[in-house]
Amino acid sequence: DAKTTQPNSMESNEEEPVHLPCNHSTISGTDYIHWYRQLPSQGPEYVIHGLTSNVNNRMASLAIAEDRKSSTLILHRATLRDAAVYYCILRDVGGGSNYKLTFGKGTLLTVNP
Amino acid sequence: DAGVIQSPRHEVTEMGQEVTLRCKPISGHDYLFWYRQTMMRGLELLIYFNNNVPIDDSGMPEDRFSAKMPNASFSNLKIQPSEPRDSAVYFCASSLGGFTEAFFGQGTRLTVV
Repeated sequence: DAKTTQPNSMESNEEEPVHLPCNHSTISGTDYIHWYRQLPSQGPEYVIHGLTSNVNNRMASLAIAEDRKSSTLILHRATLRDAAVYYCILRDVGGGSNYKLTFGKGTLLTVNP
Repeated sequence: DAGVIQSPRHEVTEMGQEVTLRCKPISGHDYLFWYRQTMMRGLELLIYFNNNVPIDDSGMPEDRFSAKMPNASFSNLKIQPSEPRDSAVYFCASSLGGFTEAFFGQGTRLTVV
């Protein structure tokens, strides 16, 4: 599986933007970039995904570098509820066993009031 | 839909006993994933199914673990015999198509004493 690298932890203040980086230098042309997060004592939840273009949804924005070797998840105004572990995952559209959703260690985001 | 439903939420059992964890995926979803989460190893994919057929069970730790999906509405994960090192939170997730967002259940916290 193509590997991603994320910082172990980050801190933010409430109502400020947060930029969570992810490096994926071995990404292949058919890998989509997915982000999930896991709130305390809950299962992971989907945040956003993209291939080449930047993506926006209600929860966040995903900015993808032109060479696709890195991406950034952007939370526009962090709230206390956004404190979670954020996982950046590569998923190959090739199918079969490539439909694995393999989690790394993620980034623990702390939001200060 | 009520989401992915796992039962029980908590299970405490003695070493050597058989343990059965249950999962009801979201109706209409054709992929089902079983994960295990521990502090040491993070989130590990154990096995996943497509249309009730196991596709990849390479993450199943040993023969003591087995998983079945007898129909589209139900899957179970069995551990026989259970050992203290099996203590973890077990998550089930489902998705429509192998590549779309996966929805996770609340997990089953298993403690083997």
